Amino acid sequence: SAVISQKPSRDICQRGTSLTIQCQVDSQVTMMFWYRQQPGQSLTLIATANQGSEATYESGFVIDKFPISRPNLTFSTLTVSNMSPEDSSIYLCSVEQPRSYNEQFFGPGTRLTVL
Amino acid sequence: AQTVTQSQPEMSVQEAETVTLSCTYDTSESNYYLFWYKQPPSRQMILVIRQEAYKQQNATENRFSVNFQKAAKSFSLKISDSQLGDTAMYFCAFWMNRDDKIIFGKGTRLHILP
Repeated sequence: SAVISQKPSRDICQRGTSLTIQCQVDSQVTMMFWYRQQPGQSLTLIATANQGSEATYESGFVIDKFPISRPNLTFSTLTVSNMSPEDSSIYLCSVEQPRSYNEQFFGPGTRLTVL
Repeated sequence: AQTVTQSQPEMSVQEAETVTLSCTYDTSESNYYLFWYKQPPSRQMILVIRQEAYKQQNATENRFSVNFQKAAKSFSLKISDSQLGDTAMYFCAFWMNRDDKIIFGKGTRLHILP
């Protein structure tokens, strides 16, 4: 199984600023996913990030607000731009490994609080 | 659109008891995967069990087993001999090739009581 790390693990930010979250995988993967999870709630997919192509965003999420980079097969970043308190949430990255029967492996998450 | 419904927001059982978590889903597809994920408090989400829709046999993983009823679009998780470490949020999830993304239910918070 893939080992995934995220940085930072948590942060407290001021309204109007931006935060970039990093996701690092210990093996090469084609598909990476970014989710948002409100405390105690389910996961909402923000976007799918494949290496070598533009990220695909879900309804309700736009690139200007959540720009994503995927420079190689082991790394991705998600930026939360121009933050407001409504962006306070846990942000998770996940990966799908080849031959894993579509199982996703999740990072530990980044807990973001916007004041 | 595919949907996943977990009708039990929260459950509590005594240690060593058996508990069943319910999940129903809606799809017109015939080939898909179903999952149960576990998210312990302040810890990482991990896969508990997986079921391929084309397989009639119910998946089992040690104390965890599923009751997959394809016609009824039901996918319940049974935890036998429950342990304190089973306390977590449990998410039922659905995947199919056409969308290539996982759809999660709202989750069931399970408390195992000593």
